[in-house]
Amino acid sequence: EAGVTQFPSHSVIEKGQTVTLRCDPISGHDNLYWYRRVMGKEIKFLLHFVKESKQDESGMPNNRFLAERTGGTYSTLKVQPAELEDSGVYFCASSQDRASGRRYNEQFFGPGTRLTVL
Amino acid sequence: GQQLNQSPQSMFIQEGEDVSMNCTSSSIFNTWLWYKQDPGEGPVLLIALYKAGELTSNGRLTAQFGITRKDSFLNISASIPSDVGIYFCAGVSNTGNQFYFGTGTSLTVIP
Repeated sequence: EAGVTQFPSHSVIEKGQTVTLRCDPISGHDNLYWYRRVMGKEIKFLLHFVKESKQDESGMPNNRFLAERTGGTYSTLKVQPAELEDSGVYFCASSQDRASGRRYNEQFFGPGTRLTVL
Repeated sequence: GQQLNQSPQSMFIQEGEDVSMNCTSSSIFNTWLWYKQDPGEGPVLLIALYKAGELTSNGRLTAQFGITRKDSFLNISASIPSDVGIYFCAGVSNTGNQFYFGTGTSLTVIP
């Protein structure tokens, strides 16, 4: 079974540019999460999709961040325009639906996208 | 948002030594999770705890869900070089929708 994949693995952009990150969850996982980790800090929740719907986007920093999950499969996270403080590692994770019981809490993470804004 | 205090921040130990790290929170969680992140990879789930007081082992790893539901610890016995990495705790909110992660414990094992 393929794991969660993310693209690109690294991105270096200049302040003001646009970047789009992609996440492909494990096939059949309804839940998809985006997180960000700034070096030395905690892994911080950004948002949660259930299929194609945004269940919780309370962690999104501001309206420069736009996440989509059309068709309930892969997801994209766009940052436009990027600022210096957006630098960090962006993780995507997926999990099974609530009907799976405890497994709902077992999130599988992708390798992350390291974003550097200069 | 809720904050998890994870300690220690980093550890340098000799191969064969035991390791202990913990997480505390001001809030109650229904689930505690422990993850390990290898360099260049995403966090991988090690142990999941679902009940206050629960003690669960996974090989040389043992984790406990504190009885107050506000803390958890992870022990690694007889450390080996491949234990190197960053260990994160995570608490899951009562609604089951929000995951809160600690700041991580960076473990270095000296052969």
